[in-house]
Amino acid sequence: AQSVTQLGSHVSVSEGALVLLRCNYSSSVPPYLFWYVQYPNQGLQLLLKYTSAATLVKGINGFEAEFKKSETSFHLTKPSAHMSDAAEYFCAVSLAGNQFYFGTGTSLTVIP
Amino acid sequence: SQTIHQWPATLVQPVGSPLSLECTVEGTSNPNLYWYRQAAGRGLQLLFYSVGIGQISSEVPQNLSASRPQDRQFILSSKKLLLSDSGFYLCALAGILGTEAFFGQGTRLTVV
Repeated sequence: AQSVTQLGSHVSVSEGALVLLRCNYSSSVPPYLFWYVQYPNQGLQLLLKYTSAATLVKGINGFEAEFKKSETSFHLTKPSAHMSDAAEYFCAVSLAGNQFYFGTGTSLTVIP
Repeated sequence: SQTIHQWPATLVQPVGSPLSLECTVEGTSNPNLYWYRQAAGRGLQLLFYSVGIGQISSEVPQNLSASRPQDRQFILSSKKLLLSDSGFYLCALAGILGTEAFFGQGTRLTVV
């Protein structure tokens, strides 16, 4: 079975500070991993994805994530937070059958 | 490019009434289609997924059902709504394993 765990349901950072959102997965086979962002009352937008190519993945809006097999992690980072980054972030894993399983989400607040 | 249409955007229904939410997709053929429900603070719960016409898999036992009468149409239904059916319902599509899922804009359902 596969699952995704997002540590910290709420994260607050100051504008300009480092953003770090944590995601750990459990999978018996190499997974496909994704980060999505959701703004209020909207669908999810893809930020980036890992599909067994480079372990450091760069996405939109300055976000990036690093796949670490030894730690079964896929944490999302951004060097400098902007006010517009305030949103809900979801980590997801996909395996055979392309069924997507999502974490419970992390709400990011950016403090001016 | 792929697009997903979901309607309505918001819906208020009394307990015991029927439900029909429709999702149609464009710009792709034979996609995997998914219904998710998002409840406050609980992340995204996969309800149903479909790999083709008439092929529906249910992830959790519940008061809901799904149908796929056409390749690009996915319908979520209920004969009698419960208060616990309230939530934000998202339709998504994906291609082959390793490709990302694309989401519709969602339907906010409130059962009163």
